Amino acid sequence: EIVLTQSPATLSLSPGERATLSCRASQSVSSYLAWYQQKPGQAPRLLIYDASNRATGIPARFSGSGSGTDFTLTISSLEPEDFAVYYCQQRSNWPPGYTFGQGTKLEIK
Amino acid sequence: QVQLQESGPGLVKPSQTLSLTCTVSGGSISSGGYYWSWIRQHPGKGLEWIGYIYYSGSTYYNPSLKSRVTISVDTSKNQFSLKLSSVTAADTAVYYCAREESYFDYWGQGTLVTVSS
Repeated sequence: EIVLTQSPATLSLSPGERATLSCRASQSVSSYLAWYQQKPGQAPRLLIYDASNRATGIPARFSGSGSGTDFTLTISSLEPEDFAVYYCQQRSNWPPGYTFGQGTKLEIK
Repeated sequence: QVQLQESGPGLVKPSQTLSLTCTVSGGSISSGGYYWSWIRQHPGKGLEWIGYIYYSGSTYYNPSLKSRVTISVDTSKNQFSLKLSSVTAADTAVYYCAREESYFDYWGQGTLVTVSS
């Protein structure tokens, strides 16, 4: 099973600052990686797929990069509504399966 | 706009079977092209994929839960269902249904299932 490790566990920043979140895979996942945002009491929302493609309706301040084992989610200038928990997720073709990272909590400083 | 809605008991006794249904609206399960998954989240914890089903009935389950999980589909009702047997307190979680085409683009709002006597 591929393990995804996210860092940091918690990131404390202020609105307007730049956020950089990391996700490392235990083996190569090529570009088959997604990022999700989850707010309290809500389901996760797809932000980025295939490592760098924004999902429908996602603001341009969100961007993803990386391939292989190292991936980054960048929020260029934090808005108040961006403070949430972020998860990365990979998919395996065979055997089929999906794993998530443990999450990074982005909190207001 | 595709919408998913979970339903089922919020309280299940230990050793019994947890049963949930996901009703899909705004799109047809039988149109194909998507897998329909169950995902759970233990209180205050991360996300765990449980398994998926295709409209044809083909399934794949997380190996860690495979012995206890059954996912089925009813295309006439545009629903798919989860059964998890022999539950313990460790199965207490929010259970989500989701649509997947490589990634999970539509989710239900989630339903909390508590395992307790």
